[in-house]
Amino acid sequence: DAKTTQPNSMESNEEEPVHLPCNHSTISGTDYIHWYRQLPSQGPEYVIHGLTSNVNNRMASLAIAEDRKSSTLILHRATLRDAAVYYCILRDNSGNTPLVFGKGTRLSVIA
Amino acid sequence: GAGVSQTPSNKVTEKGKYVELRCDPISGHTALYWYRQSLGQGPEFLIYFQGTGAADDSGLPNDRFFAVRPEGSVSTLKIQRTERGDSAVYLCASSPTGGFGANVLTFGAGSRLTVL
Repeated sequence: DAKTTQPNSMESNEEEPVHLPCNHSTISGTDYIHWYRQLPSQGPEYVIHGLTSNVNNRMASLAIAEDRKSSTLILHRATLRDAAVYYCILRDNSGNTPLVFGKGTRLSVIA
Repeated sequence: GAGVSQTPSNKVTEKGKYVELRCDPISGHTALYWYRQSLGQGPEFLIYFQGTGAADDSGLPNDRFFAVRPEGSVSTLKIQRTERGDSAVYLCASSPTGGFGANVLTFGAGSRLTVL
C-alpha cells in the first residue's frame, strides 16, 4: 500500500483556519486521497476525498498538489468540536480495498 | 438502521475465553469491514466482506480470529482462546458497493474488549 506521512500533532486557535498537511510521494495514478477523522471515544468519520482537483464540502476543503505528491485538508474555522485525530489515506479507485490507517495528526483546538 | 451498530459496547473477559462481537451495518450496505484499534494507534484492518463472502482476510492476526456474515448483513467477529494482547477497540464499518458511496465508509462506535 502507498504510504502517507503526517505530523503527529498540531494546534490551532478556535475560529481560525487549520491546514493539515499530508505527504504521499509514492501515490499511484489510480489512488484517491481520503481524509477521515476520529473524535474521542468514537469511530472514524469520513471527511472528504479527491483524485486530482481540489474538493469542497460542508466539512472541509481538500487541496491537492499538481503533482499529487502532497495534499492539505483545510478546516476553514476550527471549533472545539474539530479536536480529533485526522487520518490521510490513499485508496485505489476500485473502491474494493480496505482503508489502511496510519497514526494520523492529533489536532488540538484552543479556545 | 440509521448507522452502524456494534454490540456489546464493552466486554470484559478472562484470558482463554471465547468472545463474539456483533456488527449491524447500514441497511443495504454490501461491503463490511472489521478493524481493531489499540490505544494511541490508528485502526488496523482485519477483514473485509463483500456480501456473504470474505473478500480479504489478510489482516486477521492468527487462526484464533474468525468472522462470518452468513446472510450478507449482520456480521460476527469471533475470537477463541483470548489473550491479553487482544484487548483493543474493535471497529466495524460498512459501505455500498459502486458509485460515490463506495468511497465512504461509515463506522460504528466500536466494541471495547478487555482481556484480564
